[in-house]
Amino acid sequence: QSALTQPASVSGSPGQSITISCTGTSSDVGGYNYVSWYQQHPGKAPKLMIYDVSNRPSGVSNRFSGSKSGNTASLTISGLQAEDEADYYCSSYTSSSIVVFGGGTKLTVL
Amino acid sequence: QVQLVQSGSELKKPGASVKVSCKASGYTFTSYAMNWVRQAPGQGLEWMGWINTNTGNPTYAQGFTGRFVFSLDTSVSTAYLQISSLKAEDTAVYYCAREATVTPWAFDIWGQGTMVTVSS
Repeated sequence: QSALTQPASVSGSPGQSITISCTGTSSDVGGYNYVSWYQQHPGKAPKLMIYDVSNRPSGVSNRFSGSKSGNTASLTISGLQAEDEADYYCSSYTSSSIVVFGGGTKLTVL
Repeated sequence: QVQLVQSGSELKKPGASVKVSCKASGYTFTSYAMNWVRQAPGQGLEWMGWINTNTGNPTYAQGFTGRFVFSLDTSVSTAYLQISSLKAEDTAVYYCAREATVTPWAFDIWGQGTMVTVSS
C-alpha cells in the first residue's frame, strides 16, 4: 500500500488561509470517509485535528476544516497564526483493512 | 486525565531486542484498540498496526511482520511493542496511539514517543 500524496511544503502569511491536499485512490481516500489529519510540532507527538474527513475533536479550533472530493482530501486552515507552523499528516483507512499516512506537509507561516 | 506514557529512550546494538511499553491511564484500557506508529529521523509517520485490547489479537502492517510483536498486560493497562533482531534501519521514534472514542480509524491520544537507536 503506497503512502498518500501530500505537497512537501506550503506557506502563508498570518491571517491568510491555506489548503493542504492529500491524494489517494478509490481503495483508500475515495472509498471511505475515514480520513484524518494530524498536526505535529518539532519533537512532539502528533495531535488529531480532523477525523472522518471533516469532524473536529473537542478543543480543536474551528479555523481547521476538512473536506473530500473523489480521491483527494483537503485540510484548510483559515486565519493563519504563527502557532500553526508545524508538519501536517493525513491518514486514511484502506480496503486492505490497514491505515496509511501521507508523506507529510511542512507548513511555514511567513 | 487520559494519557499514554511510554518507556524511555533505548540504545541497542544490531541483533539485540527491545521492548517498548505504553501505559494507559484515565480510561478503561480494554475499551479502545491500541495502535503503533513509527517515525524514522526526519521522516514521516508510518502505521505499524494495532492490537485489540479485548482479545489481544494483533494486526501488523506490511513490513512489520516477523520481528515485531504487539502484546498487552491488561492488569496494568499497558501495551508493549517488542522488536527483535534489531537493524540500523529500526532507528526511529515509536509511538503508541489510542483508537479515537468517536471513530475507529483515527488516533486521539498519543504517547510521548520512545526513541530507539540501533548502533554498534
